[in-house]
Amino acid sequence: AAGVIQSPRHLIKEKRETATLKCYPIPRHDTVYWYQQGPGQDPQFLISFYEKMQSDKGSIPDRFSAQQFSDYHSELNMSSLELGDSALYFCASGSLYEQYFGPGTRLTVT
Amino acid sequence: GIQVEQSPPDLILQEGANSTLRCNFSDSVNNLQWFHQNPWGQLINLFYIPSGTKQNGRLSATTVATERYSLLYISSSQTTDSGVYFCAVAQYSGGGADGLTFGKGTHLIIQP
Repeated sequence: AAGVIQSPRHLIKEKRETATLKCYPIPRHDTVYWYQQGPGQDPQFLISFYEKMQSDKGSIPDRFSAQQFSDYHSELNMSSLELGDSALYFCASGSLYEQYFGPGTRLTVT
Repeated sequence: GIQVEQSPPDLILQEGANSTLRCNFSDSVNNLQWFHQNPWGQLINLFYIPSGTKQNGRLSATTVATERYSLLYISSSQTTDSGVYFCAVAQYSGGGADGLTFGKGTHLIIQP
């Protein structure tokens, strides 16, 4: 079965640089979620989109923005990166309530 | 916001043992999911179980929504069961795309 695709899988950036993470949901899923998981932490919800509109917002920093495109893929844009942004970033997709998680993008900020 | 508490925080067992992991939540929910995070960081869906009982092989789960708790049972543990088990919940305000709130997880180590 098709799964959520995230790219890139690994990313290394320097402080103050920008990064863009991409997410391709499971076909026919209309909802995308983004989560951030710091080392040794539980995943924290950042933001979600339903039918290309922002639906719910969690603890997303102002330096981050996201959108969902007409083909339902989503991008998370992160600017002015800080050391504390080093984390595993998950995208999940769903069509009702259940959420299916992608493999994650591991971002390292040096 | 809703609070999620998982217990125990850590669990070390011998291969072949059975275990029960608990998840308590502070309010009614529309979504409850159990995940296994393996040592490589992958979050694997185990169950979507806002109420009732489900079984999948050696794993089963029960959620008693009226009493706000869920249990994950692992039988005949194998070393590949090691990792962190997360419970996550969501209440839906009507938009249908609310984010999950995760518990702190149970770190399970299965020794050969």
